[in-house]
Amino acid sequence: EADIYQTPRYLVIGTGKKITLECSQTMGHDKMYWYQQDPGMELHLIHYSYGVNSTEKGDLSSESTVSRIRTEHFPLTLESARPSHTSQYLCASSQQGGKYEQYFGPGTRLTVT
Amino acid sequence: DQQVKQNSPSLSVQEGRISILNCDYTNSMFDYFLWYKKYPAEGPTFLISISSIKDKNEDGRFTVFLNKSAKHLSLHIVPSQPGDSAVYFCAARPVSGNQFYFGTGTSLTVIP
Repeated sequence: EADIYQTPRYLVIGTGKKITLECSQTMGHDKMYWYQQDPGMELHLIHYSYGVNSTEKGDLSSESTVSRIRTEHFPLTLESARPSHTSQYLCASSQQGGKYEQYFGPGTRLTVT
Repeated sequence: DQQVKQNSPSLSVQEGRISILNCDYTNSMFDYFLWYKKYPAEGPTFLISISSIKDKNEDGRFTVFLNKSAKHLSLHIVPSQPGDSAVYFCAARPVSGNQFYFGTGTSLTVIP
């Protein structure tokens, strides 16, 4: 069974605060992803990683940063939150090789006031 | 510029009937396509996929059709059940790319 966890599920925070969104998976997947989604819009890839110490930016420009120190953990950090960062953030993972389907976490709904 | 489009934001279908969800794409380099289902307050879950070397893939009540010349794919659900009510996203991956491009989703409501 696919197990990928995200915390917190909901976060309301003031402008200028530093936040870290956590994502962990127990499937041993090498590939991990962060997507941003606004209501009624498509998922936009903001970061991805193909393994430990490997991170890349996606097509959507983002002021966030990520790290991949352990296979199972892929946190996303915003150094200074702004109202424009209000969105849903979805973490996903997938296997190497021909299986392309991604397993998604439940998401973090972020509101910056 | 959106490369994967789902032009119907919503769809309502009677229980037991067929649901057809459509997806169009613009990038001829896409070679792998997936459908995901998403319930409120949950992340998307993988439903079914198709490679560009095929034109049909079937898994139980779900069938995906791919028309490469029209750059169009569709998801058929037969028979539709109330538990199928969710938002459905299509996604596509280019041959040499590292990421998937998602549509905006279609909200399906199956009426009992």
